[in-house]
Amino acid sequence: NAGVTQTPKFQVLKTGQSMTLQCAQDMNHEYMSWYRQDPGMGLRLIHYSVGAGITDQGEVPNGYNVSRSTTEDFPLRLLSAAPSQTSVYFCASSYRPRGATEAFFGQGTRLTVV
Amino acid sequence: AQSVAQPEDQVNVAEGNPLTVKCTYSVSGNPYLFWYVQYPNRGLQFLLKYITGDNLVKGSYGFEAEFNKSQTSFHLKKPSALVSDSALYFCAVRDDQDSSYKLIFGSGTRLLVRP
Repeated sequence: NAGVTQTPKFQVLKTGQSMTLQCAQDMNHEYMSWYRQDPGMGLRLIHYSVGAGITDQGEVPNGYNVSRSTTEDFPLRLLSAAPSQTSVYFCASSYRPRGATEAFFGQGTRLTVV
Repeated sequence: AQSVAQPEDQVNVAEGNPLTVKCTYSVSGNPYLFWYVQYPNRGLQFLLKYITGDNLVKGSYGFEAEFNKSQTSFHLKKPSALVSDSALYFCAVRDDQDSSYKLIFGSGTRLLVRP
């Protein structure tokens, strides 16, 4: 059971480039989300999905797009990378998003935009 | 607005001593509270969660947390710290009134256990 798998683990982009961060889970979880982690700021929600075909914006969505065509996959697209998007990105999934259901996290993608 | 506060950037304790990592929260409805731990270059790992009922919650690796509704706190504790407990700890809350079901995280507290 792989859990939540993120690729790549590390990436360096030039300003203006685009890329897709991949996230896949094999636990049949309904809820998936993307966070970014910056020093001293904890984790901030970028986008989330409550099921295939349904996505919505989180706290810091600007500059990012998502789609959820299958239950398993939830890719995050950077449209035109900016230095402010240098961060560590985490994908998470939950069986159901409600109540006391805990989230499972991937290993993270460390992104540097130069 | 929903929020989580972890007032200490770092907590230092000696191995074998008890430890406490503080967390307070603010939500509109009822809170669902969680603690996660992050080791270097790793994702977040679930430690424990509060479910309505007992105010003292026991979790993984000997950690426990105490829920206090009147003080809106959910402090993480361990009776005897180990050097291997050194890591970054995050408190998180989900508001049962929030239709996005999102987890709100604190800024994190670095725990350093010295031998």
